[in-house]
Amino acid sequence: GDSVTQTEGLVTLTEGLPVMLNCTYQSTYSPFLFWYVQHLNEAPKLLLKSFTDNKRPEHQGFHATLHKSSSSFHLQKSSAQLSDSALYYCALSLNTGNYKYVFGAGTRLKVIA
Amino acid sequence: EAAVTQSPRSKVAVTGGKVTLSCHQTNNHDYMYWYRQDTGHGLRLIHYSYVADSTEKGDIPDGYKASRPSQENFSLILELASLSQTAVYFCASSETYNNQAPLFGEGTRLSVL
Repeated sequence: GDSVTQTEGLVTLTEGLPVMLNCTYQSTYSPFLFWYVQHLNEAPKLLLKSFTDNKRPEHQGFHATLHKSSSSFHLQKSSAQLSDSALYYCALSLNTGNYKYVFGAGTRLKVIA
Repeated sequence: EAAVTQSPRSKVAVTGGKVTLSCHQTNNHDYMYWYRQDTGHGLRLIHYSYVADSTEKGDIPDGYKASRPSQENFSLILELASLSQTAVYFCASSETYNNQAPLFGEGTRLSVL
């Protein structure tokens, strides 16, 4: 079935270093991919989503590139900030007319000074 | 402004008791979802609905029922609450386009004792 894999449960980084959170997926169809960010005791909020025309989405300094050949949608940022500390979810929507969304297990990013 | 409102925000229930979690959206979205959040498991889909008076099973429906009496309202019902249902529950709504990301409510923290 369709699935999303986030291999790192916890990533700890020093402020100013680059961020890369991994996301790979399995899907029978060509899904749309999303990244959500969830700060402590808050709702998950959309960070960015893939486009149909292969443009690279960017938001708040984060970007992600959809690579269909490797089924990946890794999240990247050039320089981590303390305020980036949060839980990040990668998700896909089944591009079949069935509007279900499948989420990965999440990666907690901890940025330290 | 688009919004998804959940009530209550937190609840303590006794084992074997009945629990009802409520969700209200003002977005005119057709789709509504109930997710459960557990550390290490991410967000897992319990039930969803795409039209009033109809619900569909998600990936982990056992022990849960859902009700969609109107487009705006979607409830999650635990008829016989169990310890294993202690978790944070999120409601979300979305438009009927695959590249539209779900909008989440603030969550309900449920503790079953």
